[in-house]
Parts: sequence; structure tokens; C-alpha cells
Amino acid sequence: EVQLVESGGGLVQPGRSLRLSCVASGFTFDDYAMHWVRQAPGKGLEWVSGISWSSGRIGYADSVKGRFTISRDNAKNSLYLQMNSLRAEDTALYYCAKGLGDYWGQGTLVTVSS
Amino acid sequence: DIVMTQTPLSLSVTPGQPASISCKSSQSLLHSDGKTYLYWYLQKPGQPPQLLIYEVSKRSSGVPDRFSGSGSGTDFTLKISRVEAEDVGVYYCMQSIQFLWTFGQGTKVEIK
Repeated sequence: EVQLVESGGGLVQPGRSLRLSCVASGFTFDDYAMHWVRQAPGKGLEWVSGISWSSGRIGYADSVKGRFTISRDNAKNSLYLQMNSLRAEDTALYYCAKGLGDYWGQGTLVTVSS
Repeated sequence: DIVMTQTPLSLSVTPGQPASISCKSSQSLLHSDGKTYLYWYLQKPGQPPQLLIYEVSKRSSGVPDRFSGSGSGTDFTLKISRVEAEDVGVYYCMQSIQFLWTFGQGTKVEIK
């Protein structure tokens, strides 16, 4: 059974940093690209970042470019999102998603507020 | 970036009646590999999105056959042949032909 478990969310002040993690199981992790998608409270879905299986291809939404860094550790079946210079508008539920979006985790909530 | 436009944004349906949601993309979603990377999700309240349909018309495992997808190029449709109470939630279309995924605005389906 495919499982994606996110962690690392929480309440953080504007300008501070947070690192999200996603641990994968139930599939061959290094066969797939992985993505982060977020959903602000009461809003729709917004793709944040993606990384290919080898980390050779990485992409970011314009809204986070230069502030967020995606990475993965295939030996640990883990995906990460380093979020720096956080803003109030980054407040959202952050999901990790496998491959072309066939499986999603339950999400981890990030709240940016003073 | 590819813009995905869904209509309608909300739908109120009597149980047992059909429902249809349209999704239009600003660019063709047909890849050179012959696949069309258009997906449909249902997000029930308090849950992550669940995959209903992939590559336009292929039902994900466990999805009832009352759900069907159709379309090509830039115009796509999700149909529910007979809406049931458990189908309430927000439906999203998504393109993944580009590494930068984009989603439709979502269509909220409620039961009358």
C-alpha cells in the first residue's frame, strides 16, 4: 500500500524558516518524480515544487522561487521542502504527491503568523 | 504556464441525476508520447484530493463506473451518470504535461 506521510508543519513567524518532510512507502521511491502542492484555507490547489527521480530536474512556482528548496534522499525514501523567508500568504496545508499525482499524503499545516 | 478553466464552479444535483463538469486548458495536453495528461480529482471535506480519472478517461482503482472522463486536446469533461450523496465535494481537473502542474479552480458539488 502506497503511503506518503508529511511532517514538519507548525506555527512560524513571518521571515522565519521551516523544513517539511515526506516519507514514502509502498512503492519504489527512486522510480518517481515527487511534488509538493499546497492549499490555503478555503482555497484551491496550488503546485509548489517538483523534483525528478534523480534530482536532475527541479521546478518551482513563481510564488516560492528563491525562497523554497526541494530535495530528496532516495536512500531514506524521503522528500523535503526547505521554506525560508516565510510570508503570511504561505499559510496552507502542504501535500506531497507521487509521480503524476496518483497518490497524495494527508498534508501538514503551515501557519505563518506573528 | 498552462491555465485550466473549469465550469461551472458550483453544482447542485438531485440524487440519481447526472452531472457534468467541463475543463478547458490553454494549451493542448497531448504529449509526444501519445498520452494526454489530464487528471480529475475529488476532494471531500477534510480530506486530501483523491484521484478519480487519469489520462482523460482511465478510472483510478476503486472508482465507481458512474464516473467517466472524456475529451481531447484542450477540452475535457467529467460526467457522473447518477450522483450519489457520497459524491459531494470539490472536483478539480489538473494537467501534468508540464512539470509545473496546474489545477482548475474547482467545482463544488452539493446534493439538493
